[in-house]
Amino acid sequence: EPEVTQTPSHQVTQMGQEVILRCVPISNHLYFYWYRQILGQKVEFLVSFYNNEISEKSEIFDDQFSVERPDGSNFTLKIRSTKLEDSAMYFCASSTQMNTEAFFGQGTRLTVV
Amino acid sequence: GENVEQHPSTLSVQEGDSAVIKCTYSDSASNYFPWYKQELGKRPQLIIDIRSNVGEKKDQRIAVTLNKTAKHFSLHITETQPEDSAVYFCAASNGWRAQKLVFGQGTRLTINP
Repeated sequence: EPEVTQTPSHQVTQMGQEVILRCVPISNHLYFYWYRQILGQKVEFLVSFYNNEISEKSEIFDDQFSVERPDGSNFTLKIRSTKLEDSAMYFCASSTQMNTEAFFGQGTRLTVV
Repeated sequence: GENVEQHPSTLSVQEGDSAVIKCTYSDSASNYFPWYKQELGKRPQLIIDIRSNVGEKKDQRIAVTLNKTAKHFSLHITETQPEDSAVYFCAASNGWRAQKLVFGQGTRLTINP
């Protein structure tokens, strides 16, 4: 069964450093998302991406965040200057259309020290 | 923006009994309501979803009901089994511009043998 895959599974970074989280969505999916989950809390929407542009973003997704689809398969989330409060599990997801199942990747646990 | 409230935060039931989790949403334009199951340290996985043109949907032991007038929807699990133990999240999306899933706070369901 096709899966969304994310790398790395765990990343530790120093405060102020840039990180790039990588995702390979399911190949025939057209909509891509990033969500985050702070330990023990609910999943929060960050951004959605369709047709090579951001379609919606949350208030969490400020100027420190950016997304890119550099080629036909990868979808990345960049945090320019990490803060302690960016520590969370980051999930990539993809779907074929709106209002259909969003398939989540296994997540990248980001720890900012 | 959309706000989703979920209750209860924890639920413990005897194996074989039923479990009910309830969610309310605020945005009357929301039209897609998925339920995700998340086991410890794993990705959220869709278990059932419902769209606003349907009042009830069932899949084996799992059912979801939607009351658009009252803006609430519920997950019903019958004949619970130990493997149903997990955190369950409801979500809502209006999906006209992007599938921005707004999640509830989660319910930790424990099935006691």
